Amino acid sequence: DTAVSQTPKYLVTQMGNDKSIKCEQNLGHDTMYWYKQDSKKFLKIMFSYNNKELIINETVPNRFSPKSPDKAHLNLHINSLELGDSAVYFCASSQGLTGKGNEQFFGPGTRLTVL
Amino acid sequence: GEDVEQSLFLSVREGDSSVINCTYTDSSSTYLYWYKQEPGAGLQLLTYIFSNMDMKQDQRLTVLLNKKDKHLSLRIADTQTGDSAIYFCAAAGGSYIPTFGRGTSLIVHP
Repeated sequence: DTAVSQTPKYLVTQMGNDKSIKCEQNLGHDTMYWYKQDSKKFLKIMFSYNNKELIINETVPNRFSPKSPDKAHLNLHINSLELGDSAVYFCASSQGLTGKGNEQFFGPGTRLTVL
Repeated sequence: GEDVEQSLFLSVREGDSSVINCTYTDSSSTYLYWYKQEPGAGLQLLTYIFSNMDMKQDQRLTVLLNKKDKHLSLRIADTQTGDSAIYFCAAAGGSYIPTFGRGTSLIVHP
């Protein structure tokens, strides 16, 4: 059973397009995250949702919009894709933000390539 | 904000011990983590330590924390080729959201 799953695994698209990446976790966690990992492996948090509410929104262009239809899902929609958006996007989840709840479980990643 | 630094590469011979080092800047960091990323995969939590501990051992893994110097290390005993991966150090303080280092690529050769 996959704990945190993402679709698609690979996404190749043209500049200017709009695309979505989906994330689902079956761990019963109440907090979910999106991270961006660039070509130098630098991992940077983008968003965090707790019980479907946005709690962290780092300096991310407003072309990126997360949506959490329920606690088990956190999708990432990207408008007007740019070359610099090419990266691997990781979804993660944890049970709360405190104590051992900060143990994050990561999905396998979505490699986005913008041409 | 928090800044976490790691060396980028470490090469060891199979059977030797590996030591991966990490420094962080926020003295209020409460939780310190080591994650492993294998090629084409997501990050997997290896171990973590609370700031009130100075050592934690888990089978082949030993984590040492020097809170005064804000220095964290991960020692892997009897390193195997399957340990080849990128190892990320992460520190979390009041916000409980971890800040990750850039990762150390561990290369294990026969």
